[in-house]
Amino acid sequence: EAGVVQSPRYKIIEKKQPVAFWCNPISGHNTLYWYRQNLGQGPELLIRYENEEAVDDSQLPKDRFSAERLKGVDSTLKIQPAELGDSAVYLCASSFRGSGPYEQYFGPGTRLTVT
Amino acid sequence: QQPVQSPQAVILREGEDAVINCSSSKALYSVHWYRQKHGEAPVFLMILLKGGEQKGHEKISASFNEKKQQSSLYLTASQLSYSGTYFCGTENTGNQFYFGTGTSLTVIP
Repeated sequence: EAGVVQSPRYKIIEKKQPVAFWCNPISGHNTLYWYRQNLGQGPELLIRYENEEAVDDSQLPKDRFSAERLKGVDSTLKIQPAELGDSAVYLCASSFRGSGPYEQYFGPGTRLTVT
Repeated sequence: QQPVQSPQAVILREGEDAVINCSSSKALYSVHWYRQKHGEAPVFLMILLKGGEQKGHEKISASFNEKKQQSSLYLTASQLSYSGTYFCGTENTGNQFYFGTGTSLTVIP
């Protein structure tokens, strides 16, 4: 079974430029998460989708970040314009949320460096 | 709302035991535990639900005190492969999920 796929793995951009990250979850998983992880810290949830619906985007900086999950499968996270403080690893995870316990499976992440 | 973990860091010799604690200020529905090795993504270890249901790793155990909004992860007879940063993740009754502050665990021969 293929895991969560993310691309690109690394991205270096100048501040004020736009950037986009792509995630393809594990087949059959109805829930998709985007996290941001700064060095030495725990992942911070940016947005959670259940199918196509964004059910928790309370920590997404909406002035510059946007996300979409068309058709309830893959997802794109965009930053426009990027700031120096956006340098971090962006992780995508997926899970199947039913009525019982669920675990999140993480992709390898995209390491973003803003110069 | 980020849960607080303790200790921040611990060093063990192979075969020793360790306990990692996670404490939340919010009423919890579930607690998750993940391990992250340097440069890698977090990997699921265990989940504990309010009411006692749990799912997880054979060699790692955990407890969940719903009244105190606390969870502990127990690592027994540690192996070199246990090294990494451990994160708890808490889902509160408002359906919000937060990862904890992290505990760095180093196992030495």
